This record gives sequence, C-alpha cells and structure tokens, in this order.
Amino acid sequence: EADIYQTPRYLVIGTGKKITLECSQTMGHDKMYWYQQDPGMELHLIHYSYGVNSTEKGDLSSESTVSRIRTEHFPLTLESARPSHTSQYLCASSEGEGSSPLHFGNGTRLTVT
Amino acid sequence: GQNIDQPTEMTATEGAIVQINCTYQTSGFNGLFWYQQHAGEAPTFLSYNVLDGLEEKGRFSSFLSRSKGYSYLLLKELQMKDSASYLCAVTDSNYQLIWGAGTKLIIKP
Repeated sequence: EADIYQTPRYLVIGTGKKITLECSQTMGHDKMYWYQQDPGMELHLIHYSYGVNSTEKGDLSSESTVSRIRTEHFPLTLESARPSHTSQYLCASSEGEGSSPLHFGNGTRLTVT
Repeated sequence: GQNIDQPTEMTATEGAIVQINCTYQTSGFNGLFWYQQHAGEAPTFLSYNVLDGLEEKGRFSSFLSRSKGYSYLLLKELQMKDSASYLCAVTDSNYQLIWGAGTKLIIKP
C-alpha cells in the first residue's frame, strides 16, 4: 500500500520542454526529498524540504526547482529538459527525527529525446 | 570527501547465508541505514543502526562498528525474492544522508 505517490510513472519528452514531476504523501511527514538515480548508481539528492515553505538545494539542483506550498505535495520542475536529464526520479518523505527511514514513491522514469 | 564503499555485485545460493559489507568515511556519524531495492522499484527500508552491535530482524541482521567505520547486512535462509540491490546509507553530522552505490545480490537455485 503506497502512502507516497508519484506521477507520471513513465515520461518521454522532447528536448527543451518544461516538465513537472508530481509527488504527494499522505503520512503527514514534514521532510520530503527528490533523488535522481541512474541504473546501478547511488542516489543523488536534487532538492529537499523540511516543511511548508522550506526548500533546500541538494547536489544536483541546477536546472530544476521545487515548491512546498502544502505539507503533502512536493512537485519537481525541470525548466528545459535535456537528454542528460534522462534518469529515474525518486521522491521520498520521512518524519522529523534523524533516525526515521525514508519512504519512497515508485519513481518517475524520464526519457528526454 | 565523504565516501561509502560496498561490493558492486555478489552471488549466493538459495538457502545459504550472505554477508554484504559497507565501509564509510563521513563527516560525523548519526546512524546507518540499509535499504533493499528490487530492479525498477523504489528502495524499501530494512534496518537502522546507530549504536555498535547487531540488530536482528527475522532473516535479516545488521551490524555496526563505529570505530571501524564498518557495517554489514547478513541475510539468512536466502530466497529467490532476495535478489535485489542492497543500499547502505549513512547520516552525517549535518543529518544529510550519504548513499552507497549499492550491492547487487544474485541468488541462484
């Protein structure tokens, strides 16, 4: 049973298009994260949020933006998609404590042609 | 820099035991997580260690030695469904998660 939802599951889009990846969670978690992961590689943090109106940049934040207007919603926007953006994008959330595990959505697999 | 090392791939036999090692060098330490990730799916939480010693959860156990910067995940009575990648992640002094690249575990009948 998924408590964190990502849409779309798969997306194929042309270079230069603006896209928004959606992420919603129903657990009331304050912390939310966006990660990028290529096959067989580690997760790279793109953006994160500690609560409403709080957003921070991760290691791969360039060319993308996020917003956190509501606790449950944390969309990621790529202003101008490039083939180098082809990857899997994972959204996650966690409770406030550092010992709390991340709960991941099923991911969006993005292909930019 | 911060670094987490795990073997890239391991192979084991159904019914056997396998130990997946993780060594880390991070700016401070506030806990270590193990996640399981099946191909094409999202990671799912397996275990958390913050103090030295062994944590047991059914067929899975996780060990931590903070002085050695070392952890392992022990999987017993392996089943075919255990074929997956196992990710080690450490929380540093700023409570940022540092991820390893994962160990792909292949289970053979």
